Order: sequence, then C-alpha cells, then structure tokens
Amino acid sequence: QQPVQSPQAVILREGEDAVINCSSSKALYSVHWYRQKHGEAPVFLMILLKGGEQKGHEKISASFNEKKQQSSLYLTASQLSYSGTYFCGTETRKGSGNTGKLIFGQGTTLQVKP
Amino acid sequence: DTEVTQTPKHLVMGMTNKKSLKCEQHMGHRAMYWYKQKAKKPPELMFVYSYEKLSINESVPSRFSPECPNSSLLNLHLHALQPEDSALYLCASSQDEGKEPFPGANVLTFGAGSRLTVL
Repeated sequence: QQPVQSPQAVILREGEDAVINCSSSKALYSVHWYRQKHGEAPVFLMILLKGGEQKGHEKISASFNEKKQQSSLYLTASQLSYSGTYFCGTETRKGSGNTGKLIFGQGTTLQVKP
Repeated sequence: DTEVTQTPKHLVMGMTNKKSLKCEQHMGHRAMYWYKQKAKKPPELMFVYSYEKLSINESVPSRFSPECPNSSLLNLHLHALQPEDSALYLCASSQDEGKEPFPGANVLTFGAGSRLTVL
C-alpha cells in the first residue's frame, strides 16, 4: 500500500526550514528518502530502519516513529539546490537475500526561491 | 564506478515494434530493478532481480519481458506496447543488504532513465 506524504508542495525562501512527512497504515521495516530533480534520476538521501536511525546525508535529517509508522524529513537552512520532488519509499517486510519491495509515496514538490 | 547506465535515453516506437531497454552497473550490486514513472507520479515497481533470478513481478503485462543476462546487466524487452505505456523507465540496483554502509537495507541507485513514447 502506498505511503502518504504531506504536504504535496512547499515553497520556501533560501535559509528557511521545511518538514516533509510520510505515513503508512502498515508496519514498516524501513523508510527511504529520495530527491528527484526535473529530468533526472531519483537520488538517495536517507534511510531509517526499524529499531534505529541511519543518516545518509550531511545536511538533511530524518526521524522514524515506529509506533505511528511515520517518518519526517527535516530540511534546515534550505538552499536553492534543495529544489526538487522528494519521495519517501517504504518497505513493509525485510526482503530475503537482497531483494526489497520499495513502494514510493506520491511525492512532495519543494521549490526554494532566492 | 558508482553509476547505473541506461540506454537508450529516448525511444519512440510503434505498437507493432519490438525494442529493448538496457541497463548496466559495475558496482557489484546483486539486485536490479525496473521501475516505471509517469509524469508527476512516483516510480512504480515492475520487476526485481536478485542474483540474476527474477524475484518480484508486480503483475506486469507480458508485453514487458525482463531479462538479466548477468549480474551487471538488465534488459527490458518491449513488444506490442500500448500508448499508455509511454513513460520514463528507471533501472536501479542495490548492494547486498548485509554490507556497509547500510547493512540491513536495500538502498537504490537509479539510472537516468529511458523515456519511452509509444505511438
């Protein structure tokens, strides 16, 4: 089942902060965050695993509330380069071997203006 | 090499044509994926290969036929497609989930995609 992201779109000025939320109705094993710029491939930002947190990006942080099956991505002191569409991807089971069924939310479009 | 390379970047084909999309990675990843992405929509999982064997098929129509000749290559064979199949097709790969820097996780590295137009 597809996770739900909010908000759908955000417009910021440089230096402002933003929070993007991702929630699931199913018990999650992991939450991934990716950013996709127009015409480009999605790029990995962050992963959060059940029972712990892993940080994949220096200037972006995230949290994972296992009780609520929710994750939040925190963008602080935003830069122009942060513009793009942010997708959360969720796994509801641990894949066997190295297979994983990652389902993406509908995306949050972030626009950072000078 | 930390890239996933997809060819061609653009493909236009008729409904009776047969074509193939290709994907290559040299990162030693043992899982490879095909995703389909429509404009302003998230990527949708189509197929997953693990150690060169098909492990997940998300009920994709048979006009899409995946192939994994070896651990570095992934193909998507296309035949008798419909106009609604026009989309960006993304290939991705992931490392063995037991390895650093993200043990226990399938972190995807995406290619730039092949934009398919079916006339």
